[in-house]
Amino acid sequence: QVQLVQSGPEVRKPGASVKISCETSGYNFNNFAIHWVRQAPGPRLEWMGWINVGTGKTEFAQKFQDRVTITRDTSATTVYMEVSRLTSEDATTYYCARSRSMFGVVIGYWGQGTPVAVSA
Amino acid sequence: DIVMTQAPDSLAVSLGERATINCKSSQSVFRSSYNKNYLAWYMQKPGQPPRLLVYWASTRESGVPERFNGSGSGTDFTLTISSLQAEDVAVYYCQQHFATPQTFGQGTKVEIK
Repeated sequence: QVQLVQSGPEVRKPGASVKISCETSGYNFNNFAIHWVRQAPGPRLEWMGWINVGTGKTEFAQKFQDRVTITRDTSATTVYMEVSRLTSEDATTYYCARSRSMFGVVIGYWGQGTPVAVSA
Repeated sequence: DIVMTQAPDSLAVSLGERATINCKSSQSVFRSSYNKNYLAWYMQKPGQPPRLLVYWASTRESGVPERFNGSGSGTDFTLTISSLQAEDVAVYYCQQHFATPQTFGQGTKVEIK
């Protein structure tokens, strides 16, 4: 079955970077986009960006454009997201998620979430 | 960005009664070339990731109970839980995937009265 397993909780100082992994299994890795969504205060959900895993092309929400990088390792069927220049506003839970259908845009499967704390 | 606004922010419903959540988008999310509304509904329980309930505004995801129904078109959408069960207590989000960035509503918390 489709599985997305994220790396564990992280603690970083303000100004540092964090890199979260999303290991996938149970499907053809190259055929489904991976999205990154975080839990905003409220608690709202905030879409950050996505990667076309087949081509490596990425697209981001404008507020994350210059601070977030998404990459993939096809041999490890794993996607990574790195957030740089962390502030207290980045302290939340981050989710990777897969499109429900091949080449589709609807998010259908989610990782378990990775909490990130930002503290001096 | 397309702004998604849900109403109400919270809702308390008796077991077995109907719960209705509304969602409005700041611009149409209907794509005429595909005849589809690019609108999804998710539920999220505490400590869990969201779960997809409905996509294309009214298509129920596999495994989702029939009491969950999505409707609407253009800019106005509704999620109805026809007979609320205890396990339906959660926060519900609408989301548009018509344009990037995908955006979510602020969430509606559903509780038992």
